[in-house]
Amino acid sequence: ETGVTQTPRHLVMGMTNKKSLKCEQHLGHNAMYWYKQSAKKPLELMFVYSLEERVENNSVPSRFSPECPNSSHLFLHLHTLQPEDSALYLCASSQEADVPNADTQYFGPGTRLTVL
Amino acid sequence: AQSVAQPEDQVNVAEGNPLTVKCTYSVSGNPYLFWYVQYPNRGLQFLLKYITGDNLVKGSYGFEAEFNKSQTSFHLKKPSALVSDSALYFCAVSLYSSASKIIFGSGTRLSIRP
Repeated sequence: ETGVTQTPRHLVMGMTNKKSLKCEQHLGHNAMYWYKQSAKKPLELMFVYSLEERVENNSVPSRFSPECPNSSHLFLHLHTLQPEDSALYLCASSQEADVPNADTQYFGPGTRLTVL
Repeated sequence: AQSVAQPEDQVNVAEGNPLTVKCTYSVSGNPYLFWYVQYPNRGLQFLLKYITGDNLVKGSYGFEAEFNKSQTSFHLKKPSALVSDSALYFCAVSLYSSASKIIFGSGTRLSIRP
């Protein structure tokens, strides 16, 4: 899976720590996404960036802060997280966020986050 | 509001047998429907999608899905299962052809026994 890469693959952090997740896409896409995947729950869309501007923010707590410096990179900055934030965080990209037939998303392998 | 349901947490099938993974949806207009697969330690991979036209959609790895408007279903099927098909399968629905508007189900774990 070299199209969308995520680092780190695993992260363990305390509730007072500050860390960042990184996503990079090599597909020439203009839209990028953060999802949260918890066991036996629907995939939760957290943030959407299109052409480096945030277009969706689905009521995500402020302890999650996204950053999209360019169309190839997406970060998720984490601070003062809670144990219930432990999950697999997936990054995805697509050609555009709102163009017909450009709706296929390409996912990275995810970062497995554990909050102690 | 749109929603998607995958009623089975787990489906077990013997290799060589046909498989079905169920999905039902609820939208207020014409749906766009998707199936994605997630192999262990990997991200989701696109399998197939229905936008309009033929109700039977063919996708990757020999999978197909049938759109049934009257039953609001989009079940995933394969005539002969392989052990390598074992994975987590997600159904998704969107009212618009837009990745930012897609709602995913909770996933169904498919286990194929040799």
